[in-house]
Amino acid sequence: GAVVSQHPSRVICKSGTSVKIECRSLDFQATTMFWYRQFPKKSLMLMATSNEGSKATYEQGVEKDKFLINHASLTLSTLTVTSAHPEDSSFYICSAFSELDTQYFGPGTRLTVL
Amino acid sequence: DQQVKQNSPSLSVQEGRISILNCDYTNSMFDYFLWYKKYPAEGPTFLISISSIKDKNEDGRFTVFLNKSAKHLSLHIVPSQPGDSAVYFCAVLQGAQKLVFGQGTRLTINP
Repeated sequence: GAVVSQHPSRVICKSGTSVKIECRSLDFQATTMFWYRQFPKKSLMLMATSNEGSKATYEQGVEKDKFLINHASLTLSTLTVTSAHPEDSSFYICSAFSELDTQYFGPGTRLTVL
Repeated sequence: DQQVKQNSPSLSVQEGRISILNCDYTNSMFDYFLWYKKYPAEGPTFLISISSIKDKNEDGRFTVFLNKSAKHLSLHIVPSQPGDSAVYFCAVLQGAQKLVFGQGTRLTINP
């Protein structure tokens, strides 16, 4: 079946640095990808919709200057957490819809900001 | 304001018995509902879905029931197996592709 990968799976960084997370659709093209965030014991919250070749659409309350999204190709979207702070520590998950309109989730990236 | 609610954070069931996971939603306009299963440090995987034109959908051991008047859906797993231990999220489809998730219910199947 369709696979979505994320890299890295785990990252630890110092406060104030930027971290880039990649999301790839491995065997299908995705014009739209989604970025979610999950706090411990909480729901997955949609952060933004990543659109290939155009600007991302951010959900209310998500700072677009802090969470930069780039969807440069039909198989790759990146989320960059800029000037990371400890409160940005979370589990970030991306997803993509296949041509058959089924949504597949990546395995997630655990970000820890010291 | 939580549009999709799973009021039970956890559920423990004996192996072989039925597991029933519940979910409530607030907007009667929602018309497509999904259940996902999630293991720790992994992304959710799709389990089963139901459209608002139906009140039941069955796939093997998994059955989803939809009660539109009560704005309630439930996932039944029978018989429950140890491998079913995971966090289960219900979700509604908003628009064409946007998913809104509930808080999740951690299901533990005891041998």
